[in-house]
Amino acid sequence: GAVVSQHPSRVICKSGTSVKIECRSLDFQATTMFWYRQFPKQSLMLMATSNEGSKATYEQGVEKDKFLINHASLTLSTLTVTSAHPEDSSFYICSARDWGTSGRGTQRRTQYFGPGTRLLVL
Amino acid sequence: GIQVEQSPPDLILQEGANSTLRCNFSDSVNNLQWFHQNPWGQLINLFYIPSGTKQNGRLSATTVATERYSLLYISSSQTTDSGVYFCAAIRYGNNRLAFGKGNQVVVIP
Repeated sequence: GAVVSQHPSRVICKSGTSVKIECRSLDFQATTMFWYRQFPKQSLMLMATSNEGSKATYEQGVEKDKFLINHASLTLSTLTVTSAHPEDSSFYICSARDWGTSGRGTQRRTQYFGPGTRLLVL
Repeated sequence: GIQVEQSPPDLILQEGANSTLRCNFSDSVNNLQWFHQNPWGQLINLFYIPSGTKQNGRLSATTVATERYSLLYISSSQTTDSGVYFCAAIRYGNNRLAFGKGNQVVVIP
């Protein structure tokens, strides 16, 4: 199946700093990528939909100035947590769907997830 | 948006037992997927199954789209099957995958 990578896997930072997380689709093109966050013992909550070459669409309650998303190419989206605070500590997961012609039918509709980034803000 | 409900929330199994996890969804879907989240947090794709039945080794899944539910079957469970199983769906006309709260499965030797 398709592979989505995420970097870094873990980051610890001081309050007030900014953290950038990269998400890459390694073997397919993704015009749309998604960013989720997950708190311990809870489900995944969609934060925003990242569209290649255009502005991201944020879910209700997600601060777009706090969570900056850039989808500069068909294989890369970045999430920057600006001026991070302890309450931003969470598990952030990116996801992508293969909309291109490189994959077979089912793969093209399946959503694939990166391994996640654990953010701890002290 | 679409509501996705999973049951049971928690399940403890003896190794070798079979189990069924259920996912109910509130609207017609054009995408339904089952995932297994491993202890490191990675979501492993199990099935893309908006309708019909599929099997992969000891796992199988069935979605009855007209009745808005999907089932994940685990047969001859092993300790490595422990973890959280998520069902997620996309409503027709939408683009976003909505997750259920998950089934926490613990398989004891």
